[in-house]
Amino acid sequence: QSVLTQPPSASETPGQRVTISCSGSSSNIGTNTVNWYQQLPGTAPELLIYRNNQRPSGVPDRFSGSKSGTSASLAISGLQSEDEADYYCAAWDDSLNGVVFGGGTKLTVL
Amino acid sequence: QLQLQESGPGLVKPSETLSLTCTVSGGSISSSGYYWGWIRQPPGKGLEWIGSISYSGSTYYNPSLKSRLTISVDTPKKQFSLKLTSVTAADTAVYYCARLPGGETATISYWGQGTLVTVPS
Repeated sequence: QSVLTQPPSASETPGQRVTISCSGSSSNIGTNTVNWYQQLPGTAPELLIYRNNQRPSGVPDRFSGSKSGTSASLAISGLQSEDEADYYCAAWDDSLNGVVFGGGTKLTVL
Repeated sequence: QLQLQESGPGLVKPSETLSLTCTVSGGSISSSGYYWGWIRQPPGKGLEWIGSISYSGSTYYNPSLKSRLTISVDTPKKQFSLKLTSVTAADTAVYYCARLPGGETATISYWGQGTLVTVPS
């Protein structure tokens, strides 16, 4: 049981927009910033969004993040086949004094 | 470009100690403010944060692993290490080493490629 809650799966057709939600609590998302990671099949995760809505260099602006209260969302617009991956949200948790992850969302591009 | 490389046994017997080392190249392990961490991923499952350490030895540990866990750093060798005692099959996972920009953050900006450690049941 993950501390942060994500839907286990999502799917959409190429060119469309998909959003992935991440729900937490006052001790994690409610107080600290949210990060998103993309894990392509068979590879290590990579930072996709940090500090709620910031993109590292090289990440296309098709990817965007937002946060409101104790929830956060990752949006991917202009969906491409190469976006098919697992996506994880993460935040620092002040009660656990550690990093907490969502259970991951497997995105399928139909 | 910073690179992280995990090394260690791929098979550990139940009740024994899992030991892994991460070697840092392309950057300094002693850079002020950075933390060096470990994350694991059981086969087919999600990510679990294990813990992290600064170059000066300040640590944060996952409370669920704390009683079995030691993370240490060797700055001259540009390495940091993980020791997990009394392992069981539940500790079977791909173990990633990583760099974080600070202590109390979930921003993991660099990841190693990961190494699979199997504990047979």
